[in-house]
Amino acid sequence: EDKVVQSPLSLVVHEGDTVTLNCSYEVTNFRSLLWYKQEKKAPTFLFMLTSSGIEKKSGRLSSILDKKELSSILNITATQTGDSAIYLCAVGYITSYGKLTFGQGTILTVHP
Amino acid sequence: NAGVTQTPKFQVLKTGQSMTLQCAQDMNHEYMSWYRQDPGMGLRLIHYSVGAGITDQGEVPNGYNVSRSTTEDFPLRLLSAAPSQTSVYFCASREGPVYEQYFGPGTRLTVT
Repeated sequence: EDKVVQSPLSLVVHEGDTVTLNCSYEVTNFRSLLWYKQEKKAPTFLFMLTSSGIEKKSGRLSSILDKKELSSILNITATQTGDSAIYLCAVGYITSYGKLTFGQGTILTVHP
Repeated sequence: NAGVTQTPKFQVLKTGQSMTLQCAQDMNHEYMSWYRQDPGMGLRLIHYSVGAGITDQGEVPNGYNVSRSTTEDFPLRLLSAAPSQTSVYFCASREGPVYEQYFGPGTRLTVT
């Protein structure tokens, strides 16, 4: 059975801290790993990582895919209260094209 | 573009009732999916479709039916609602397997 596991499940930090969120996967036919941010409503897309793009960066957020360790990290530097959200990772497949398997999410709370 | 739209936003059903959650997208995306989100469990895939006339089951398909007669629409039918189906339901679409996935605003369903 395919598994996507995120850690920690929740994290509380203060503004300015740097956080690292983890996502590990055990799936067959891995194609891609995606990161999403979910505030009050629907998830919004952050990054997609594949064999041809194992590192992505946007502002204070960056992500790396480690295909050997079957995992990915999402780093957020100089956190702000607006970073408070649920962060979700998901895995896409080479076969079963339409399918994504999500992890359970990490709840990040940033205090002023 | 309206993106991905879902109706209704909220719904309360009695056990045993049936209903259809509507989902539409105007981006001409081939891939559409339905997820449910419960606290601490991330997003779980119910059914997905890779094109009109083509659907497949996800992780938690029992109690739900789908059909895809057009590219734009992907309704989710609850055949006989149960309290265990109380959840937030998200519809999503994407252009293909290596593209980001866009989510609708969600439907909060309560079954009493």
